[in-house]
Amino acid sequence: DAKTTQPTSMDCAEGRAANLPCNHSTISGNEYVYWYRQIHSQGPQYIIHGLKNNETNEMASLIITEDRKSSTLILPHATLRDTAVYYCIVVSGTYKYIFGTGTRLKVLA
Amino acid sequence: DAGVIQSPRHEVTEMGQEVTLRCKPISGHNSLFWYRQTMMRGLELLIYFNNNVPIDDSGMPEDRFSAKMPNASFSTLKIQPSEPRDSAVYFCASSLGRRAQNTEAFFGQGTRLTVV
Repeated sequence: DAKTTQPTSMDCAEGRAANLPCNHSTISGNEYVYWYRQIHSQGPQYIIHGLKNNETNEMASLIITEDRKSSTLILPHATLRDTAVYYCIVVSGTYKYIFGTGTRLKVLA
Repeated sequence: DAGVIQSPRHEVTEMGQEVTLRCKPISGHNSLFWYRQTMMRGLELLIYFNNNVPIDDSGMPEDRFSAKMPNASFSTLKIQPSEPRDSAVYFCASSLGRRAQNTEAFFGQGTRLTVV
């Protein structure tokens, strides 16, 4: 499975959009990009995933570059409850979700 | 559905004792995962079951750890004997389907294990 690189931490003002980048330059054609988050030692929570096209759901939007070497998770209107560690994971046709160190997002009042 | 249910939520035990962690996956899911999380090592995949069969246990630290899935609705992770370095939060997750592509995993709330 491709390795991902994320910034260690980010801050975002409450009400503003939070844009979390992820680099996955070694991704291959059949690998999906998944995003999870973990709030204060709770179990990781699924956010969104995609293959090639941009995706949007009730929680977030996922923008994947045309070459698929990077992606951005967008939380359109961040709230204090979005403070968490965000994990970007690249998943192939295997069963393994391999978590890296993630980005610690702090939403500031 | 109540989601993935783990028990107990907290466990404190003495070194050398046997510890059993329990997991009830989401009904209908046929893949089950056990993860361990520590500050030093992050989230580590320990073992993966598909249709109740262990597919990959390469992440299990050593012979003191064992996992079983006697049926589709129940799994256990056992540590015998336990050691202080086993202290961690243990998560169980389940998903629909064998292949991770296009199928998300749902995590339980975890069991916080402290071995003194």
